[in-house]
Amino acid sequence: DQQVKQNSPSLSVQEGRISILNCDYTNSMFDYFLWYKKYPAEGPTFLISISSIKDKNEDGRFTVFLNKSAKHLSLHIVPSQPGDSAVYFCAAKGRDSGNTPLVFGKGTRLSVIA
Amino acid sequence: KAGVTQTPRYLIKTRGQQVTLSCSPISGHRSVSWYQQTPGQGLQFLFEYFSETQRNKGNFPGRFSGRQFSNSRSEMNVSTLELGDSALYLCASSPRTGGMNTEAFFGQGTRLTVV
Repeated sequence: DQQVKQNSPSLSVQEGRISILNCDYTNSMFDYFLWYKKYPAEGPTFLISISSIKDKNEDGRFTVFLNKSAKHLSLHIVPSQPGDSAVYFCAAKGRDSGNTPLVFGKGTRLSVIA
Repeated sequence: KAGVTQTPRYLIKTRGQQVTLSCSPISGHRSVSWYQQTPGQGLQFLFEYFSETQRNKGNFPGRFSGRQFSNSRSEMNVSTLELGDSALYLCASSPRTGGMNTEAFFGQGTRLTVV
């Protein structure tokens, strides 16, 4: 039973355009969400996070949107750059009182074409 | 500040053997988690340790085990290796577990190949 789903295995975007990566979750106990970026042969690198008390968090070119009623979040990258080409993982965490671990989606491979 | 260090980076083992992987977390981080990454499966949670105690465990068979030492360094062990255990094993550390939402910082992983 996959609690965090990234339904698009891959995405191609032209340089300079917006990249939108989507993530859905099923567990209503999740209240903290993160995006990680992973290059081949490296560990995932933290990108941006959002708490369930917010619906938007922005950091430079990266913005994460959270729609709790739809159990959906998205990562927007604008403008997209060739160096953004990587696999992006969405992750979710339950309320800390339960000491729950991060649960990851299967990832979306983003290719930014120059 | 040094990052999360995993050793070895690459490992080739034969079916039936056992293997031990090591992870040194970021200094001051007391929580260490282990994940398995296989093609198309994302990162699957193995277990989490905090202050030498296993706090959470994923859905993996008992052949997968781990431990954490008093200096927060962690090891994971896989016994009776199977071909399907070939994967990238990632270790992540975070400052604490419980009470505060924080991101986890990952090492570069150990690529295990079982032949």
